[in-house]
Amino acid sequence: GDSVTQMEGPVTLSEEAFLTINCTYTATGYPSLFWYVQYPGEGLQLLLKATKADDKGSNKGFEATYRKETTSFHLEKGSVQVSDSAVYFCALASKTNAGKSTFGDGTTLTVKP
Amino acid sequence: GAVVSQHPSRVICKSGTSVKIECRSLDFQATTMFWYRQFPKQSLMLMATSNEGSKATYEQGVEKDKFLINHASLTLSTLTVTSAHPEDSSFYICSAEKGTDPDTQYFGPGTRLTVL
Repeated sequence: GDSVTQMEGPVTLSEEAFLTINCTYTATGYPSLFWYVQYPGEGLQLLLKATKADDKGSNKGFEATYRKETTSFHLEKGSVQVSDSAVYFCALASKTNAGKSTFGDGTTLTVKP
Repeated sequence: GAVVSQHPSRVICKSGTSVKIECRSLDFQATTMFWYRQFPKQSLMLMATSNEGSKATYEQGVEKDKFLINHASLTLSTLTVTSAHPEDSSFYICSAEKGTDPDTQYFGPGTRLTVL
């Protein structure tokens, strides 16, 4: 079945540091890939997505590239801010799985001033 | 836009009572809605998938008689937790898909249920 494995947290960085959160996946076919962000006490928000190989999703300074050869979708940001502190979920949606999404376990990011 | 609301945001109830949670897509029609449960510091657990006008599809291990889902229209799905017990206390999140963008899920803000 489909699965998503993402970097274990928690991750603690200083403001303006470079961020990478690794995500790899297993899926049949060609899934769409997503990063969602969850702020404390809230639901998930779509951060970015990519629907085919070599696509780059980007939003709010975050980027991730769909790498089919390594089955990866790593999240990066060049300079994090305190307001980026949240839980980040990598996910995939596969047409062979009846429209359901598969989520990673989430990575908690804390950015200190 | 793609805004999904949930109501209530927080609810506290006594053991044995039933609680209804509403999920609404405010600016689009949702062909499919999903209900998740999230435990502290854990990922989302899919409970069920609901399509407008048809019965919900429950994931293995989820009691359909306890968690009643009704998808009455293209903008509203409800989850009713019947005869709630303290172990049902959790954060419940819904999501909705647009027909024009079927892979992407748009999430509601979640409902914190506490059963005393």
